[in-house]
Amino acid sequence: EIVLTQSPDFQSVTPMEKVTITCRASQSIARLHWYQQKPDQSPKLLINYVSQPVSGVPSRFSGSGSGTDFTLTINGLEAEDAAAYYCLQTSSVPHTFGQGTKVEIK
Amino acid sequence: QVQLVESGGGLVRPGGSLRLSCAASGFTFSDYYMTWIRQAPGRGLEWISYISTTGAAIYYGDSVKGRFIISRDNAKNSLYLQMDSLRAEDTAVYYCARSNKWNDPLDYWGQGTLVTVSS
Repeated sequence: EIVLTQSPDFQSVTPMEKVTITCRASQSIARLHWYQQKPDQSPKLLINYVSQPVSGVPSRFSGSGSGTDFTLTINGLEAEDAAAYYCLQTSSVPHTFGQGTKVEIK
Repeated sequence: QVQLVESGGGLVRPGGSLRLSCAASGFTFSDYYMTWIRQAPGRGLEWISYISTTGAAIYYGDSVKGRFIISRDNAKNSLYLQMDSLRAEDTAVYYCARSNKWNDPLDYWGQGTLVTVSS
């Protein structure tokens, strides 16, 4: 099983600040996706295949990385971005999620 | 529009059984892989199981293998999860989600149904 480790677990950020969340895989993967989950909502796909934004996602969200190290960046955090963020790998079964990163607005 | 609606959650005693359903609409259900994911209260997401378009390919995570069975009825546009020998640690919101292929991202999710295992 591929283990995904996200860092940090929690981040308190001022509006307009840049946010960087990392996801490290226990082995090399190619299919890595990012989700946003707001309180009492189901997860929403933000970025697929490492760096491809989903239609309708604000341009401040971007993804990058390769091999075992991946990054989700929010350039200019907005209040509506307060949420938990998860990475998901679908390169091998079982598919696995990172433990999540909670982003709070200061 | 794509809709996935889970149902069947509730309170069940340890050792009991429950069957969850996921009703799909707004897309050709038989063209998509379907997956169950769960989230324990205040915790992260856990991938549980997927089933291929025809049901020929099925995979389970270790935590539910041998106790849960995933199935689908393409004629009824429905996905199911039969959960047996339930434990307190199975308490979670259960989501269904779809993907184009087994290794594609989960692009649409339902709103979830809560399963509580407690005496």
